[in-house]
Amino acid sequence: DQQVKQNSPSLSVQEGRISILNCDYTNSMFDYFLWYKKYPAEGPTFLISISSIKDKNEDGRFTVFLNKSAKHLSLHIVPSQPGDSAVYFCAAPLPRSTGNQFYFGTGTSLTVIP
Amino acid sequence: KAGVTQTPRYLIKTRGQQVTLSCSPISGHRSVSWYQQTPGQGLQFLFEYFSETQRNKGNFPGRFSGRQFSNSRSEMNVSTLELGDSALYLCASWAGILSSGANVLTFGAGSRLTVL
Repeated sequence: DQQVKQNSPSLSVQEGRISILNCDYTNSMFDYFLWYKKYPAEGPTFLISISSIKDKNEDGRFTVFLNKSAKHLSLHIVPSQPGDSAVYFCAAPLPRSTGNQFYFGTGTSLTVIP
Repeated sequence: KAGVTQTPRYLIKTRGQQVTLSCSPISGHRSVSWYQQTPGQGLQFLFEYFSETQRNKGNFPGRFSGRQFSNSRSEMNVSTLELGDSALYLCASWAGILSSGANVLTFGAGSRLTVL
């Protein structure tokens, strides 16, 4: 049961341009979302998050947008840099749960071309 | 503050064997969860331990088990290994939901298991 979906396995973008990574979810109870970045041979690292009470959260070059009615979120990276080349996962914790259980998308591999 | 430490980083086993992976969470974190990452499947939740008790469990067969010690270190075990168990096994440390509302898992580098 894939409650968080990333339908684009890969994305290539020219350095300096905008990268847009998309994520859809099916569970309307989700109230918090995260993006993680993963380099080969490393664990995922937290990048940015958003609460469902907001529709946008910005941190430097990274902005996450949330469209609750469409059950869709996106991560914008502007400007894209070669060091941004990695796999990006969106995730959501099971809400109102004792403890933690996070649902992850299948990831989008971003390549930023110099 | 030391991060999440997983050992071993790489290991190769043959079908039918068993394997034990270890994880030390961030100091002070009492929750440890385990995830399996395979190509095309993303990260799949295995289980979560809190204060030595399994608190949540994902949809994996009983061959996958875990435990947590009083110092919060955790181990996961996979018995009777199958080829499909080849994956990156990630351990995550959790501080709980912070007063800011932040709710973040911190991952270790993972243990890469290859089953031949």
